[in-house]
Amino acid sequence: DAKTTQPPSMDCAEGRAANLPCNHSTISGNEYVYWYRQIHSQGPQYIIHGLKNNETNEMASLIITEDRKSSTLILPHATLRDTAVYYCIATGGGKLIFGQGTELSVKP
Amino acid sequence: DAGVIQSPRHEVTEMGQEVTLRCKPISGHNSLFWYRQTMMRGLELLIYFNNNVPIDDSGMPEDRFSAKMPNASFSTLKIQPSEPRDSAVYFCASSLWTSFGANVLTFGAGSRLTVL
Repeated sequence: DAKTTQPPSMDCAEGRAANLPCNHSTISGNEYVYWYRQIHSQGPQYIIHGLKNNETNEMASLIITEDRKSSTLILPHATLRDTAVYYCIATGGGKLIFGQGTELSVKP
Repeated sequence: DAGVIQSPRHEVTEMGQEVTLRCKPISGHNSLFWYRQTMMRGLELLIYFNNNVPIDDSGMPEDRFSAKMPNASFSTLKIQPSEPRDSAVYFCASSLWTSFGANVLTFGAGSRLTVL
């Protein structure tokens, strides 16, 4: 599993795009990039994943650089309910190891 | 689908007592994961099963912890005897995973354990 590095905290204004970076410079070719989030006291929630191409779903967009060494999760219009800890995980196997994540605070 | 169901949601027990946490995965999922979360250590993977077989239990802290999956619709995590340092939120997650594809986990709401 590739080691991931995320900033410990970020702020975002409500209604603006939140761009959360993740570095995974040791990622190998068969390892996916996953993003989960955990809202206080709840179980982690799956957001999105990708292998090589950029991905978009109803929650977010995932931008993966061409060399796959980093990625950015984009919440296009952040709301107060998006305040949470966001985890980036890079793995090709069955088990997902969670790091410390980025604590995103969306402010009015 | 009701999602991943965990019970109990809250448990308070005394040191030395046996604790059993239960998990019902999503129907049709073939993989099940037990995680533990504390402020100090974050979210730790304890053990995971694939097709009811334990694949990796390297995260189980010590022999006091054991996990079973007798069938595809039920798993237990047991702590015997419990200690105050076992106090944590325990999450169960399940997924439909093949070795060549992505592994998207769905988590339960967690079981909050307090050992006095």
